Amino acid sequence: DAGVTQSPTHLIKTRGQQVTLRCSPKSGHDTVSWYQQALGQGPQFIFQYYEEEERQRGNFPDRFSGHQFPNYSSELNVNALLLGDSALYLCAGHRGPYNEQFFGPGTRLTVL
Amino acid sequence: AQKITQTQPGMFVQEKEAVTLDCTYDTSDPSYGLFWYKQPSSGEMIFLIYQGSYDQQNATEGRYSLNFQKARKSANLVISASQLGDSAMYFCAIGNAGGTSYGKLTFGQGTILTVHP
Repeated sequence: DAGVTQSPTHLIKTRGQQVTLRCSPKSGHDTVSWYQQALGQGPQFIFQYYEEEERQRGNFPDRFSGHQFPNYSSELNVNALLLGDSALYLCAGHRGPYNEQFFGPGTRLTVL
Repeated sequence: AQKITQTQPGMFVQEKEAVTLDCTYDTSDPSYGLFWYKQPSSGEMIFLIYQGSYDQQNATEGRYSLNFQKARKSANLVISASQLGDSAMYFCAIGNAGGTSYGKLTFGQGTILTVHP
């Protein structure tokens, strides 16, 4: 059984550009949550997808958007990149009423 | 709103000794779960242990145990027989099993653990 996968592993963009990050949860996990982790900080919740809809959202601007596909994989899109968007982006999958979450290796985004 | 406080930025322990990493939490929800994750330098968050708010006994997973004191709102992680591979960042997190915060985890600032040979 494959674990949680994320792509790409590293990404370098310039201010104002747009980026798309991808995540595939473990088999059987139908809910995907995205987190942003700045250097030296704990992860911050961005949003969560379930049944292809955004179920809840953290304190992030509309520049951050997402999508979930029928196979439960998910994308995180960030528009108009700012220097402050530089961070490790983690996705996590889980299923049902249990919120034990399994994380992917993350995508490290650098905005220059 | 939920909050996690980890007051130890860094901890040191000798190999084969036990170490306790502190975590206190704040929540108004009657039902919640507490988690500990390990994050090596590679960045991946590795799940260690989970404690439900209504669980009567403290959770244990191999060398990891969670010292859950509900009245004090603390959920300390105890690692026994430390190994060099335990050197990493450790995060405490709280989440809900239902309601509008379903599945959302709130993390603390983390504690860097260094195991000395």
